[in-house]
Amino acid sequence: EAGVVQSPRYKIIEKKQPVAFWCNPISGHNTLYWYLQNLGQGPELLIRYENEEAVDDSQLPKDRFSAERLKGVDSTLKIQPAELGDSAVYLCASSPGRGLNTEAFFGQGTRLTVV
Amino acid sequence: QKEVEQNSGPLSVPEGAIASLNCTYSDRGSQSFFWYRQYSGKSPELIMSIYSNGDKEDGRFTAQLNKASQYVSLLIRDSQPSDSATYLCAAADSNSGYALNFGKGTSLLVTP
Repeated sequence: EAGVVQSPRYKIIEKKQPVAFWCNPISGHNTLYWYLQNLGQGPELLIRYENEEAVDDSQLPKDRFSAERLKGVDSTLKIQPAELGDSAVYLCASSPGRGLNTEAFFGQGTRLTVV
Repeated sequence: QKEVEQNSGPLSVPEGAIASLNCTYSDRGSQSFFWYRQYSGKSPELIMSIYSNGDKEDGRFTAQLNKASQYVSLLIRDSQPSDSATYLCAAADSNSGYALNFGKGTSLLVTP
């Protein structure tokens, strides 16, 4: 079974430029998460999708970040414009559903460097 | 603010010893707990999950949960140099749709 696939793996952009990250979750997983991880920190939730609905985007900086999950499968996270402080690893994870035994599986992440 | 606290380490143990990793959480509503391993430059990899008080064993790993003390731990028996990584503790509850709330992680170094 294929895992969570993210692209690109690495991205270097200049500040004020836009950037987009793509995620393909594990087949059949209805729940999709985007996390941000800074160096030396644990992942922090940005947004959670149940199928195509964003059910928790309270931690997403909506002035510059946006996300979509059309058709409830693949998802895209966008930053426009990027700032120096956005440099981090962006992780996508998916799980088969909600509940006590929800186990989330992570993709390899996209390492963003804003210069 | 829901907090998951871990000692950042590094925790250094000799090869073959038992490594004990600890985690506390502030939200009494937390229901599920997870341990992830993260190698440098890699993404988190699920090791174990635990939902009930007591111990849960899987190979060399044992997770322990004490809800009264709001404490979760991970024991690694017969530690190997390949176990050297950062271990992330996460908690989840129904109010947040079981989204994982992570601690900052504990760095483990197993020395030959």
